[in-house]
Amino acid sequence: QKEVEQDPGPLSVPEGAIVSLNCTYSNSAFQYFMWYRQYSRKGPELLMYTYSSGNKEDGRFTAQVDKSSKYISLFIRDSQPSDSATYLCAMRDTNAGKSTFGDGTTLTVKP
Amino acid sequence: DSGVTQTPKHLITATGQRVTLRCSPRSGDLSVYWYQQSLDQGLQFLIQYYNGEERAKGNILERFSAQQFPDLHSELNLSSLELGDSALYFCASSGDDRFGTQYFGPGTRLLVL
Repeated sequence: QKEVEQDPGPLSVPEGAIVSLNCTYSNSAFQYFMWYRQYSRKGPELLMYTYSSGNKEDGRFTAQVDKSSKYISLFIRDSQPSDSATYLCAMRDTNAGKSTFGDGTTLTVKP
Repeated sequence: DSGVTQTPKHLITATGQRVTLRCSPRSGDLSVYWYQQSLDQGLQFLIQYYNGEERAKGNILERFSAQQFPDLHSELNLSSLELGDSALYFCASSGDDRFGTQYFGPGTRLLVL
């Protein structure tokens, strides 16, 4: 069983929709949670990171972490065609010094 | 632009050969990470260096090795290449080795024929 499981997708939504991207994890040592966006096999780009349970908002993006359920989400409001990409969740055990990535969810936002 | 540079961008080689991929981290970052991304797999962590020392190891094959030099650039050496080694290889850097918000380079696309 993988330490990080990400909803595989792909997801296709109309422009303006709210998108929910989700990951679950099994390792309680993960303390640091990140979301990356990757366009067409380019280098992943860091979108958001958070240490704690709860919500963190940045523009149209909201990252949510529920440590008790070992579940994280990324919400995208008012989705745009330019949001079309693969989204990767990542989690870090700061003591082990290693980040583990989900396999990614490919999102297509249709105009 | 993340500030992480990788060379070459593309590499085509034959089975059995050896190649070296190079990464320069963002200015001031001490940690360098290497990842492999195949078509049918996600990002697979290979190895991390911090200020010249190996800090963490992932699923790195014995045919692969890496090092970080005093100027903090890093090289990933892949030897006895096989068809299955064809992939995107990403380097990432971070300012420390614990919290490690990682910034990725553009990747090297390796094709083994």
